[in-house]
Amino acid sequence: EAGVTQSPTHLIKTRGQQATLRCSPISGHTSVYWYQQALGLGLQFLLWYDEGEERNRGNFPPRFSGRQFPNYSSELNVNALELEDSALYLCASSRTGVSTDTQYFGPGTRLTVL
Amino acid sequence: AQKITQTQPGMFVQEKEAVTLDCTYDTSDPSYGLFWYKQPSSGEMIFLIYQGSYDQQNATEGRYSLNFQKARKSANLVISASQLGDSAMYFCAMREGDDYKLSFGAGTTVTVRA
Repeated sequence: EAGVTQSPTHLIKTRGQQATLRCSPISGHTSVYWYQQALGLGLQFLLWYDEGEERNRGNFPPRFSGRQFPNYSSELNVNALELEDSALYLCASSRTGVSTDTQYFGPGTRLTVL
Repeated sequence: AQKITQTQPGMFVQEKEAVTLDCTYDTSDPSYGLFWYKQPSSGEMIFLIYQGSYDQQNATEGRYSLNFQKARKSANLVISASQLGDSAMYFCAMREGDDYKLSFGAGTTVTVRA
Protein backbone atom coordinates (compact mmCIF):
# COMPACT_ATOMS: atom_id res chain seq x y z
CA GLU A 1 0.00 0.00 0.00
CA ALA A 2 1.38 3.37 -1.04
CA GLY A 3 1.99 5.88 1.72
CA VAL A 4 1.32 9.59 1.78
CA THR A 5 3.10 11.34 -1.08
CA GLN A 6 4.09 14.99 -1.31
CA SER A 7 5.44 17.14 -4.10
CA PRO A 8 7.71 18.80 -4.74
CA THR A 9 10.46 17.55 -2.44
CA HIS A 10 12.16 20.92 -2.42
CA LEU A 11 10.88 24.34 -3.40
CA ILE A 12 12.84 27.56 -3.59
CA LYS A 13 10.99 30.85 -3.84
CA THR A 14 11.73 34.49 -3.29
CA ARG A 15 10.00 36.78 -0.83
CA GLY A 16 6.59 37.92 -2.03
CA GLN A 17 6.02 34.96 -4.36
CA GLN A 18 3.41 32.25 -3.98
CA ALA A 19 4.12 28.58 -3.23
CA THR A 20 1.89 25.58 -3.91
CA LEU A 21 2.52 22.29 -2.15
CA ARG A 22 0.69 19.07 -2.96
CA CYS A 23 -0.25 15.99 -0.99
CA SER A 24 -1.86 12.66 -1.86
CA PRO A 25 -3.25 10.68 1.06
CA ILE A 26 -3.15 6.96 1.65
CA SER A 27 -5.87 5.17 -0.30
CA GLY A 28 -9.04 5.06 1.78
CA HIS A 29 -8.07 8.05 3.92
CA THR A 30 -10.33 11.06 3.61
CA SER A 31 -8.71 13.43 6.10
CA VAL A 32 -5.61 15.44 5.26
CA TYR A 33 -3.59 17.52 7.71
CA TRP A 34 -0.84 20.05 7.12
CA TYR A 35 1.91 20.85 9.62
CA GLN A 36 4.78 23.29 9.52
CA GLN A 37 8.15 22.37 11.03
CA ALA A 38 10.28 25.48 11.22
CA LEU A 39 13.66 25.69 12.92
CA GLY A 40 13.24 26.66 16.53
CA LEU A 41 9.44 26.54 16.41
CA GLY A 42 8.82 22.82 16.33
CA LEU A 43 5.88 21.16 14.63
CA GLN A 44 2.81 23.31 14.37
CA PHE A 45 -0.63 22.38 13.07
CA LEU A 46 -1.69 24.36 10.00
CA LEU A 47 -4.88 22.97 8.48
CA TRP A 48 -7.19 19.98 8.51
CA TYR A 49 -9.35 18.99 5.54
CA ASP A 50 -11.97 16.30 5.55
CA GLU A 51 -14.42 15.39 2.78
CA GLY A 52 -13.43 18.50 0.88
CA GLU A 53 -14.10 20.89 3.75
CA GLU A 54 -11.72 22.83 5.98
CA ARG A 55 -12.41 21.47 9.47
CA ASN A 56 -9.83 23.23 11.59
CA ARG A 57 -7.14 25.80 11.23
CA GLY A 58 -4.06 26.55 13.30
CA ASN A 59 -2.79 29.94 14.36
CA PHE A 60 -1.50 31.03 10.96
CA PRO A 61 -2.32 34.12 8.87
CA PRO A 62 -4.87 33.92 6.04
CA ARG A 63 -2.13 33.86 3.42
CA PHE A 64 -1.82 30.19 4.32
CA SER A 65 -4.72 28.46 2.60
CA GLY A 66 -5.52 25.24 0.89
CA ARG A 67 -8.12 22.95 -0.48
CA GLN A 68 -9.01 19.31 -0.78
CA PHE A 69 -10.05 17.78 -4.08
CA PRO A 70 -12.74 15.15 -4.73
CA ASN A 71 -10.05 12.45 -4.81
CA TYR A 72 -9.01 13.63 -1.31
CA SER A 73 -5.65 14.96 -2.42
CA SER A 74 -4.83 18.40 -1.09
CA GLU A 75 -2.98 21.58 -1.92
CA LEU A 76 -1.41 24.05 0.47
CA ASN A 77 -0.95 27.56 -0.87
CA VAL A 78 1.22 30.15 0.76
CA ASN A 79 0.85 33.66 -0.64
CA ALA A 80 3.13 36.66 -0.19
CA LEU A 81 5.98 34.49 1.05
CA GLU A 82 8.07 35.76 3.92
CA LEU A 83 11.52 34.61 4.96
CA GLU A 84 10.11 32.99 8.10
CA ASP A 85 7.93 30.70 5.97
CA SER A 86 11.06 28.67 5.24
CA ALA A 87 10.32 25.29 6.80
CA LEU A 88 9.55 21.64 6.23
CA TYR A 89 5.86 21.25 5.43
CA LEU A 90 4.48 17.88 6.37
CA CYS A 91 1.22 16.41 5.18
CA ALA A 92 -0.55 13.59 7.01
CA SER A 93 -3.66 11.56 6.34
CA SER A 94 -6.07 9.48 8.38
CA ARG A 95 -9.45 7.86 8.12
CA THR A 96 -12.42 10.05 8.96
CA GLY A 97 -14.58 9.93 12.03
CA VAL A 98 -12.31 7.71 14.03
CA SER A 99 -10.77 9.84 16.74
CA THR A 100 -8.37 7.11 17.74
CA ASP A 101 -7.04 6.74 14.22
CA THR A 102 -3.44 7.47 13.45
CA GLN A 103 -2.12 10.19 11.21
CA TYR A 104 0.44 8.92 8.74
CA PHE A 105 2.89 11.42 7.38
CA GLY A 106 4.45 12.02 4.00
CA PRO A 107 8.13 12.82 3.40
CA GLY A 108 7.54 16.56 3.45
CA THR A 109 8.26 19.50 1.19
CA ARG A 110 11.16 21.68 2.18
CA LEU A 111 10.34 25.28 1.31
CA THR A 112 13.13 27.82 1.19
CA VAL A 113 12.28 31.49 0.86
CA LEU A 114 15.13 33.75 -0.26
CA ALA B 1 0.65 26.43 28.32
CA GLN B 2 2.61 23.64 26.69
CA LYS B 3 0.40 20.66 26.00
CA ILE B 4 3.30 18.26 25.48
CA THR B 5 6.63 18.52 27.30
CA GLN B 6 9.72 16.58 26.36
CA THR B 7 12.50 17.58 28.72
CA GLN B 8 15.39 15.64 27.15
CA PRO B 9 16.80 17.50 24.14
CA GLY B 10 19.30 14.74 23.39
CA MET B 11 20.31 11.30 24.59
CA PHE B 12 23.07 8.82 23.87
CA VAL B 13 22.47 5.10 24.18
CA GLN B 14 24.70 2.10 23.64
CA GLU B 15 23.66 -0.37 20.96
CA LYS B 16 21.53 -3.24 22.36
CA GLU B 17 20.62 -1.27 25.48
CA ALA B 18 17.18 0.12 26.34
CA VAL B 19 16.38 3.82 26.43
CA THR B 20 13.44 5.72 27.93
CA LEU B 21 12.21 8.97 26.42
CA ASP B 22 10.14 11.18 28.70
CA CYS B 23 6.86 12.82 27.77
CA THR B 24 4.39 14.64 29.98
CA TYR B 25 1.13 16.11 28.77
CA ASP B 26 -1.48 18.57 29.89
CA THR B 27 -5.17 18.28 29.10
CA SER B 28 -8.50 18.61 30.87
CA ASP B 29 -10.30 16.49 28.29
CA PRO B 30 -10.96 12.94 29.59
CA SER B 31 -10.71 11.58 26.04
CA TYR B 32 -7.34 11.91 24.39
CA GLY B 33 -4.76 9.95 22.45
CA LEU B 34 -1.01 9.93 22.78
CA PHE B 35 1.35 9.15 19.92
CA TRP B 36 5.05 8.71 19.40
CA TYR B 37 6.70 9.41 16.08
CA LYS B 38 10.26 8.94 14.85
CA GLN B 39 11.84 11.46 12.50
CA PRO B 40 15.11 10.39 10.87
CA SER B 41 17.36 12.95 9.23
CA SER B 42 15.42 12.44 6.00
CA GLY B 43 12.50 14.31 7.56
CA GLU B 44 9.64 11.85 7.27
CA MET B 45 7.60 11.29 10.44
CA ILE B 46 7.20 7.58 11.16
CA PHE B 47 4.40 6.45 13.48
CA LEU B 48 5.61 4.21 16.28
CA ILE B 49 2.95 3.66 18.91
CA TYR B 50 -0.43 4.90 20.19
CA GLN B 51 -2.04 4.98 23.64
CA GLY B 52 -5.64 5.98 24.23
CA SER B 53 -6.69 7.63 27.47
CA TYR B 54 -9.17 4.85 28.20
CA ASP B 55 -6.80 2.01 27.40
CA GLN B 56 -6.27 -0.17 30.44
CA GLN B 57 -2.98 -1.63 29.32
CA ASN B 58 0.22 -0.02 28.19
CA ALA B 59 0.70 -0.13 24.44
CA THR B 60 3.46 -2.22 22.89
CA GLU B 61 4.67 -2.49 19.29
CA GLY B 62 7.68 -4.71 18.78
CA ARG B 63 10.65 -3.08 20.48
CA TYR B 64 8.58 -0.03 21.43
CA SER B 65 6.50 0.17 24.57
CA LEU B 66 4.68 3.06 26.16
CA ASN B 67 4.80 3.53 29.92
CA PHE B 68 1.46 5.26 30.47
CA GLN B 69 0.94 6.78 33.92
CA LYS B 70 -2.38 8.58 33.71
CA ALA B 71 -2.36 10.13 37.18
CA ARG B 72 1.07 11.62 36.53
CA LYS B 73 0.10 12.59 32.96
CA SER B 74 3.15 10.91 31.54
CA ALA B 75 3.58 8.71 28.49
CA ASN B 76 7.19 7.66 28.27
CA LEU B 77 8.49 5.69 25.29
CA VAL B 78 10.79 2.75 25.95
CA ILE B 79 12.92 1.45 23.11
CA SER B 80 14.42 -1.92 23.92
CA ALA B 81 17.54 -3.44 22.34
CA SER B 82 18.56 -0.21 20.59
CA GLN B 83 19.87 -0.44 17.05
CA LEU B 84 22.00 1.99 15.07
CA GLY B 85 18.97 2.68 12.89
CA ASP B 86 17.11 4.00 15.93
CA SER B 87 19.22 7.18 15.80
CA ALA B 88 16.66 9.91 15.06
CA MET B 89 14.48 12.61 16.60
CA TYR B 90 11.51 11.29 18.57
CA PHE B 91 8.32 13.27 19.06
CA CYS B 92 5.50 12.77 21.52
CA ALA B 93 2.13 14.08 20.34
CA MET B 94 -1.41 14.34 21.68
CA ARG B 95 -4.89 14.57 20.21
CA GLU B 96 -7.68 15.80 22.49
CA GLY B 97 -11.36 14.93 22.30
CA ASP B 98 -12.88 15.62 18.88
CA ASP B 99 -10.06 17.96 17.89
CA TYR B 100 -8.18 15.83 15.43
CA LYS B 101 -5.09 17.99 15.19
CA LEU B 102 -1.90 16.80 16.88
CA SER B 103 0.04 18.88 19.38
CA PHE B 104 3.72 17.96 19.40
CA GLY B 105 6.49 18.20 21.94
CA ALA B 106 9.86 19.69 21.12
CA GLY B 107 11.35 16.27 20.47
CA THR B 108 14.28 14.25 21.78
CA THR B 109 17.30 13.39 19.65
CA VAL B 110 18.52 9.85 20.23
CA THR B 111 21.99 8.80 19.13
CA VAL B 112 22.81 5.11 19.28
CA ARG B 113 26.50 4.29 19.69
CA ALA B 114 28.08 1.07 18.44
